[in-house]
Amino acid sequence: DIQMTQSPSSLSASVGDRVTITCQASQHITKFVNWYQQKPGKAPKLLVYDASNLETGVPSRFSGSGSGTDFTFTINSLQPEDIATYHCQQYDTLPITFGQGTRLDIK
Amino acid sequence: EVQLVESGGGLVQPGRSLRLSCTTSGFTFGDYAMNWVRQAPGKGLEWVGFIRARAYGGTTRYAASVKDRFTISRDDSKSIASLQMNSLKTEDTAVYYCTRVRYINGLIDAFDMWGQGTLVTVSS
Repeated sequence: DIQMTQSPSSLSASVGDRVTITCQASQHITKFVNWYQQKPGKAPKLLVYDASNLETGVPSRFSGSGSGTDFTFTINSLQPEDIATYHCQQYDTLPITFGQGTRLDIK
Repeated sequence: EVQLVESGGGLVQPGRSLRLSCTTSGFTFGDYAMNWVRQAPGKGLEWVGFIRARAYGGTTRYAASVKDRFTISRDDSKSIASLQMNSLKTEDTAVYYCTRVRYINGLIDAFDMWGQGTLVTVSS
């Protein structure tokens, strides 16, 4: 199985900060990575697909990049409503696997 | 408006069975693969399995942890996906999410719509 190592597991940042989360795949997966946002008590929501494509309706402060084994998710200018857990996911090879999640809160 | 609503969760004893349903509306159900993801209390997301659209064979794939115990099916006439769970174990305790799966160029892509989830608790 492809392991997705996501870091950090948690972080605290201030409103307006730039936040970066990384995911490293245990083997080459081209660009087949998605990022999801999960607010407390809610279902996940797709934010970025195919490593760098912003889902329709998602604010432009969110972005993704990377290819191969190293992927990055960025929030430019953190907003209070961005408090959530963020998950990366690979779908290059079955079984589909997720990172362990990054819990983000406001300082 | 696209909607996915899971039902059928609850408390069940180890070794017993449970069937979850995912009732959908607001999109052409038959055009999409349907998928299940679970989340144990306080844990991350775990892929359970999916069923492809009929145009892509309607075939199923499962995670190793549920293979031979869980079965995903679909009723395109009713826009419902189902997850039959047999021989349940305490480690199957989780919130189960139904998701829609988007195709891009004929390949499975992202889980673009999610239900609200239904809690399954396996305990004696």
